[in-house]
Amino acid sequence: EAQVTQNPRYLITVTGKKLTVTCSQNMNHEYMSWYRQDPGLGLRQIYYSMNVEVTDKGDVPEGYKVSRKEKRNFPLILESPSPNQTSLYFCASRPSTSGSPDTQYFGPGTRLTVL
Amino acid sequence: QKEVEQNSGPLSVPEGAIASLNCTYSDRGSQSFFWYRQYSGKSPELIMFIYSNGDKEDGRFTAQLNKASQYVSLLIRDSQPSDSATYLCAVTNGGFKTIFGAGTRLFVKA
Repeated sequence: EAQVTQNPRYLITVTGKKLTVTCSQNMNHEYMSWYRQDPGLGLRQIYYSMNVEVTDKGDVPEGYKVSRKEKRNFPLILESPSPNQTSLYFCASRPSTSGSPDTQYFGPGTRLTVL
Repeated sequence: QKEVEQNSGPLSVPEGAIASLNCTYSDRGSQSFFWYRQYSGKSPELIMFIYSNGDKEDGRFTAQLNKASQYVSLLIRDSQPSDSATYLCAVTNGGFKTIFGAGTRLFVKA
């Protein structure tokens, strides 16, 4: 089954404790992206990756890191989480980096709470 | 000014009515426009996309695009209670960034 998976689905942590949210897709997509969703603000793009070892900042990259060492995986790293990073996080992938309007496939989401 | 604006709602319509959802965008270079549906606690799922001015129909859904007015809308005919969700408008300029609106909550009353 074609899908985007994220782990963990739920995470409660404390300020300053490094964490990683994993994202994996089995569709051989070049493009992957991370979003956060907050009430009243919609989905905001954190980082995206056009292919292996190629990443760029989205609109709200502060406090986050990403890496793309393999095509299928795109982990989101919070080196020192803070309470303002409490949010619902979505990973997404799409098949093309050509700028064509390919639809994005979203993972199930990770609800993160930073105390 | 937000780049993609939607009325947050909630928009309430009776079952069987037409629901009209609207979205405006600020970047005149925008090329592709998407409507996603998101049920509470779930991930967004694509309903429709549109690139050209005019209407595009898919079943009970019609997307309308007016690039001169920087306006895109989604019409849902014969609305059903199962259509109750948040509808997200998304816009790309042909590049790698996607800008989402904050979403409009729709309630369809049985």
